[in-house]
Amino acid sequence: EDQVTQSPEALRLQEGESSSLNCSYTVSGLRGLFWYRQDPGKGPEFLFTLYSAGEEKEKERLKATLTKKESFLHITAPKPEDSATYLCAVPMDTGRRALTFGSGTRLQVQP
Amino acid sequence: SQTIHQWPATLVQPVGSPLSLECTVEGTSNPNLYWYRQAAGRGLQLLFYSVGIGQISSEVPQNLSASRPQDRQFILSSKKLLLSDSGFYLCAWSRKGLNQPQHFGDGTRLSIL
Repeated sequence: EDQVTQSPEALRLQEGESSSLNCSYTVSGLRGLFWYRQDPGKGPEFLFTLYSAGEEKEKERLKATLTKKESFLHITAPKPEDSATYLCAVPMDTGRRALTFGSGTRLQVQP
Repeated sequence: SQTIHQWPATLVQPVGSPLSLECTVEGTSNPNLYWYRQAAGRGLQLLFYSVGIGQISSEVPQNLSASRPQDRQFILSSKKLLLSDSGFYLCAWSRKGLNQPQHFGDGTRLSIL
């Protein structure tokens, strides 16, 4: 069964303090990995898709990387507005078109 | 551009009452549609998905049902709500094809009293 595990569950950073969030997965043949940002009371907002090991994607202060077993979301010099829950997800088994989500990392960036 | 709308944003219902949550997508045609539930501090649980009008796949046996009466409309229903149905319900859409990202609405917070 596909599993997605995110760590840490919560992370508190000072503004400007760079760090990384981890998403490890066990799937039978990775068909992509997705990162989302979710603000309180809102739906997840799509950030990145990564399809193969070694791939990297960047958006502002965020950079996502992918290996054969895990993905990292690197946050460089974060600002308070980066505070949110970050979710990763992988496609479910073939024939089931939806995503398996991790439980997320709650990021708080203090000024 | 594509947009997805869910309503209502918040709903408080008594146990045993019926439920109808609506979701519509604009700016695309023939999307895949999904209903998820998110419990506090937990990941998203897929409830239903649809690849076309009238085509619904259920992931979790429960007292909820889904319908897709039109191409870009997805409805989540219940005849009798249970306390355990409380949660944050999210609708999402994606394009056809493998490994397409899903795009979510802003959800409905459902509280059962």
